[in-house]
Amino acid sequence: GAVVSQHPSWVICKSGTSVKIECRSLDFQATTMFWYRQFPKQSLMLMATSNEGSKATYEQGVEKDKFLINHASLTLSTLTVTSAHPEDSSFYICSVKGNTEAFFGQGTRLTVV
Amino acid sequence: AQTVTQSQPEMSVQEAETVTLSCTYDTSESDYYLFWYKQPPSRQMILVIRQEAYKQQNATENRFSVNFQKAAKSFSLKISDSQLGDAAMYFCAYRSFNTGGFKTIFGAGTRLFVKA
Repeated sequence: GAVVSQHPSWVICKSGTSVKIECRSLDFQATTMFWYRQFPKQSLMLMATSNEGSKATYEQGVEKDKFLINHASLTLSTLTVTSAHPEDSSFYICSVKGNTEAFFGQGTRLTVV
Repeated sequence: AQTVTQSQPEMSVQEAETVTLSCTYDTSESDYYLFWYKQPPSRQMILVIRQEAYKQQNATENRFSVNFQKAAKSFSLKISDSQLGDAAMYFCAYRSFNTGGFKTIFGAGTRLFVKA
């Protein structure tokens, strides 16, 4: 399967600042990537679908101006949490669309203080 | 829209015993994939087993097997000879074969405890 690297693994930021999370597909051309959010002891909730070279498709209820997604190449998608607030604290996971299953990054724990 | 339901928030099994995790789903599609993912404390998602809906034969991966009932829209996971390392969150997931943007939809998860 594809190797997906997510960076950083964890980050702490001050309220009001922006944080960028990177998702890299190391050995697979990722035309489509997905961003998920997971609250403690809950499931993965899809936030958006990131397509290389085009605008991301956001799920209902996800603020596209707050969660900026850029997928400029076949190996990199970034999620920027803008003007972060404590309620944005969560675990963010990216995945790469494979031929059948998705391949997941190791996740990023974001804490906004 | 497709939905995935896991009705067991927690399950417990004795080491070396067998446990079955339940999953039902709802879809109007005929072609799709079903998965079971394991999420250990590290939070890394690990694919346990995959089932293509067009295949009647139940998928098997070593100690892990599924009971896929397409008409009933049921997809349970059986773990045989449970090991301490099997303790984790298990998510049942659905993916369309060629529609819906290929996104994977997850159930709420079942936390599995393994007793020594």
